[in-house]
Amino acid sequence: DVKVTQSSRYLVKRTGEKVFLECVQDMDHENMFWYRQDPGLGLRLIYFSYDVKMKEKGDIPEGYSVSREKKERFSLILESASTNQTSMYLCASSEQSSNSPLHFGNGTRLTVT
Amino acid sequence: GDSVTQMEGPVTLSEEAFLTINCTYTATGYPSLFWYVQYPGEGLQLLLKATKADDKGSNKGFEATYRKETTSFHLEKGSVQVSDSAVYFCALNPFVNQGGKLIFGQGTELSVKP
Repeated sequence: DVKVTQSSRYLVKRTGEKVFLECVQDMDHENMFWYRQDPGLGLRLIYFSYDVKMKEKGDIPEGYSVSREKKERFSLILESASTNQTSMYLCASSEQSSNSPLHFGNGTRLTVT
Repeated sequence: GDSVTQMEGPVTLSEEAFLTINCTYTATGYPSLFWYVQYPGEGLQLLLKATKADDKGSNKGFEATYRKETTSFHLEKGSVQVSDSAVYFCALNPFVNQGGKLIFGQGTELSVKP
């Protein structure tokens, strides 16, 4: 069965800390994505990647960076966490076709204090 | 730009009631359309999809028809169950050659009472 695994379900970090959110998929998918989910705003795309070592900005990339050194792993990095980055973060992967659905992990709920 | 608009929730229904969650979209070209469901404490999972006009997606008793003339993709179920309580997201992919880069609506929370 398809599986996207996010390393942490809950994280609490302090303002100014560097935060790493890890995501691994076992489906050999080319595409990987990081979304942020906030009440009333739905899901917003932060960054995505269509290949190893490739990354592109989504709709809200400010304050975030990503790393994709291996096909199965896509990391989201908060260089200096701020309270407005408190949110649910969802990782997803998909095949290349535009008809292909996204497969999501269970999410990481990050609280920045 | 491309966008998705869903009816606001929460929607509260009694078990066995008929469900409609409205979804309309704005996009150039011919996007693929999706409905996702998020159960409490979980990530999103694909419920159904449609890739061209007049296609009907269906799964687990849910249906949605891709209506290009009204730019809509409304989700329906004839008889809801308590286990259908979740948040439902409508989404589109306006990119012909790029998989997965979806634009989501804000989500509609459904609560089904016994």
